[in-house]
Amino acid sequence: TQLLEQSPQFLSIQEGENLTVYCNSSSVFSSLQWYRQEPGEGPVLLVTVVTGGEVKKLKRLTFQFGDARKDSSLHITAAQPGDTGLYLCAGDRRSSARQLTFGSGTQLTVLP
Amino acid sequence: SQTIHQWPATLVQPVGSPLSLECTVEGTSNPNLYWYRQAAGRGLQLLFYSVGIGQISSEVPQNLSASRPQDRQFILSSKKLLLSDSGFYLCAWSSSTGYEQYFGPGTRLTVT
Repeated sequence: TQLLEQSPQFLSIQEGENLTVYCNSSSVFSSLQWYRQEPGEGPVLLVTVVTGGEVKKLKRLTFQFGDARKDSSLHITAAQPGDTGLYLCAGDRRSSARQLTFGSGTQLTVLP
Repeated sequence: SQTIHQWPATLVQPVGSPLSLECTVEGTSNPNLYWYRQAAGRGLQLLFYSVGIGQISSEVPQNLSASRPQDRQFILSSKKLLLSDSGFYLCAWSSSTGYEQYFGPGTRLTVT
């Protein structure tokens, strides 16, 4: 079974601070996605990383895929209250139906 | 553009009653379809997935079932609900070749 472990599970920071969320596995994934979810809504896709060592930037968010494609990180610079939400990583199991294995999530709260 | 609908948005049902949750996708053909369940503030557990009409695969043994009567329609059912069936149910779709999944707004089910 491919498991994705996210850390930290909860994170509460002040507006303007930087933070990093980690997503780790002992298995190799062909790709990895990051989602953000707000209460009572479905997750929204933020980014997909495919190549080992790949770095993608989305405004103040920086995503990195590990060289061995077993881990990923999400770094947020100068966090804002609008960044508050549940962040989920998900690994592509490269099956015929493209099932994803989801991490347990990081609940981020950015205080004004 | 593609859109995904789920209904109802919320549902309160007594133990032992039947269940039917519906998901439809617009703007795409032959999507892969998925049903997930999410505990509060946690990751997503894949329940069922489908790569075509009438083709259903189950990830977790339980008293739930799924059906795909039409290309863009996915239904989650139960004959008799258990208290443990309470949760947030999410439907998602992906293209047959893509890595990314796109989620509906979810259904909050409370079994009393």
